[in-house]
Amino acid sequence: KNEVEQSPQNLTAQEGEFITINCSYSVGISALHWLQQHPGGGIVSLFMLSSGKKKHGRLIATINIQEKHSSLHITASHPRDSAVYICAVNYGGATNKLIFGTGTLLAVQP
Amino acid sequence: NAGVTQTPKFQVLKTGQSMTLQCAQDMNHEYMSWYRQDPGMGLRLIHYSVGAGITDQGEVPNGYNVSRSTTEDFPLRLLSAAPSQTSVYFCASSYSSGGRHSSSYEQYFGPGTRLTVT
Repeated sequence: KNEVEQSPQNLTAQEGEFITINCSYSVGISALHWLQQHPGGGIVSLFMLSSGKKKHGRLIATINIQEKHSSLHITASHPRDSAVYICAVNYGGATNKLIFGTGTLLAVQP
Repeated sequence: NAGVTQTPKFQVLKTGQSMTLQCAQDMNHEYMSWYRQDPGMGLRLIHYSVGAGITDQGEVPNGYNVSRSTTEDFPLRLLSAAPSQTSVYFCASSYSSGGRHSSSYEQYFGPGTRLTVT
């Protein structure tokens, strides 16, 4: 069993839809990251969370430490949101080591 | 700031050749890491550094060497390339956003190097 699991693996949505991507983890963590990777592109950090909720534009990330679960929401999705979304966790106390999920491939159709 | 830069963007090697992937950051970050990304797998840590002169192995270190002589640079050396090292390589730098005693690190990734070993 992977220590960081994402669902779904693939997601197709119509423009304007509300999208949710989930991340569950099985280790103790100090922070959780949501990353975005466009096809053939680099990786960009969207959020770093250790508790609660963060919002940036149309993106919202939440984390429930007790349930070891995080969600990334995209409101009013747009084709430019099409990308791979990756969940990663800082684990093991004062360390910068990350464990990554395998990513969710999102395609938003016009 | 240029952020995290990597060179080259693409490279093709023959089995047995050696090469160095370059990584540099201009943000004065103490932490730097090398990851490889393979289809169907999450990014995996190859080597990392917590500061100049200090490096350590990650999850998949075999066949790779690193050094950290300056804060800015963290090159990754492939000693004798093998087809199993065909991958996309990402360098990342990070800092502790909560200060010295925090364990939450903001991550900055380079654009990646796509390596093919034939």
